[in-house]
Amino acid sequence: GQNIDQPTEMTATEGAIVQINCTYQTSGFNGLFWYQQHAGEAPTFLSYNVLDGLEEKGRFSSFLSRSKGYSYLLLKELQMKDSASYLCAAEDSNYQLIWGAGTKLIIKP
Amino acid sequence: IAGITQAPTSQILAAGRRMTLRCTQDMRHNAMYWYRQDLGLGLRLIHYSNTAGTTGKGEVPDGYSVSRANTDDFPLTLASAVPSQTSVYFCASKGQGDTGELFFGEGSRLTVL
Repeated sequence: GQNIDQPTEMTATEGAIVQINCTYQTSGFNGLFWYQQHAGEAPTFLSYNVLDGLEEKGRFSSFLSRSKGYSYLLLKELQMKDSASYLCAAEDSNYQLIWGAGTKLIIKP
Repeated sequence: IAGITQAPTSQILAAGRRMTLRCTQDMRHNAMYWYRQDLGLGLRLIHYSNTAGTTGKGEVPDGYSVSRANTDDFPLTLASAVPSQTSVYFCASKGQGDTGELFFGEGSRLTVL
């Protein structure tokens, strides 16, 4: 079956670095999305990886290994506003998204 | 309107009642989606539409119906609401850029008593 696994909750300190992991199993694979969702709000797009490797976008980077079915989101120089849930979603061969349950990131001062 | 708009934002509904959640986008996106989001679960696809005039079933379509009469509107109807349909519902449309990212509405929080 199709499955996405990511940690339920993580805690980090303001100014630090945190890595949120995601493993996936899908029927075919086209790409991997990361979305950010603040409490009570809609998800917003962060990144999309198709090829293996690291994609950097400001303080946020996303990594993909297609052979391992693995991705991570790296957040640097954490700010209090980064407290949110981070959703991993894999796009299967039919271009449908399979979503993880999300990782709630708590930032402490 | 800029983006994707959902209504109502929040609704309490008696079981057995009919309810339509509205979704409108002004980005001229072809593909639109309805998801429900429940605590501890990932977003689950209810129905989708790849283009005006066509719809398809997602992962959890039972008890829901949709229509896509034009590009902008994609309403979701609960014919006879049940308590298990208590959830937050998100409408989304798919961008036509390289990433095909989804743009989400602000969500409709529905409580069925």
